[in-house]
Amino acid sequence: SAVISQKPSRDICQRGTSLTIQCQVDSQVTMMFWYRQQPGQSLTLIATANQGSEATYESGFVIDKFPISRPNLTFSTLTVSNMSPEDSSIYLCSVVVPENIQYFGAGTRLSVL
Amino acid sequence: EDQVTQSPEALRLQEGESSSLNCSYTVSGLRGLFWYRQDPGKGPEFLFTLYSAGEEKEKERLKATLTKKESFLHITAPKPEDSATYLCAVQILGGYQKVTFGTGTKLQVIP
Repeated sequence: SAVISQKPSRDICQRGTSLTIQCQVDSQVTMMFWYRQQPGQSLTLIATANQGSEATYESGFVIDKFPISRPNLTFSTLTVSNMSPEDSSIYLCSVVVPENIQYFGAGTRLSVL
Repeated sequence: EDQVTQSPEALRLQEGESSSLNCSYTVSGLRGLFWYRQDPGKGPEFLFTLYSAGEEKEKERLKATLTKKESFLHITAPKPEDSATYLCAVQILGGYQKVTFGTGTKLQVIP
């Protein structure tokens, strides 16, 4: 299994600002994933972050808006840039362990005013 | 395009009233199907992985089954603590470890 810590757990931000979300896992993992979950909806993959390489973004998500860092095998950050109210959502990070099971953090609840 | 559809969107059961949740999928090639439970304010919690048609997995009151086109999550004699949103997700062949989630079924079990 894997234990994932996400910070912050929630935040309220002003339009036009940026927020960086941190994700720390208790073991070394190759892949980390960032998801968005809009109110009442399912999870949408934003990007996949491998250590030592550029993140791979899904259709509809761009690096300028959601820059990702992956400095080592236990840590990653997602930045939500130049925020608008449409960015209000829950952001989740996840990791895959060798047994091919994906574990999730508790999420960051973001509200943009 | 890979698609995952869950039904019903919401389900309300009396305590002890067994039922099933459905997850239909259309993918180019299935590597695995996952079931998760999500409680309000929390991230998804892993329940089961199914890899081949005919496979079944059980955990307490839950049993997951898989066919070539769909998966079912059977809930036997549910309790109020089983109330949650249940998500299924598919992993496709050649898609490394990425998964695509369905829209979920929100289950409410009434005492």
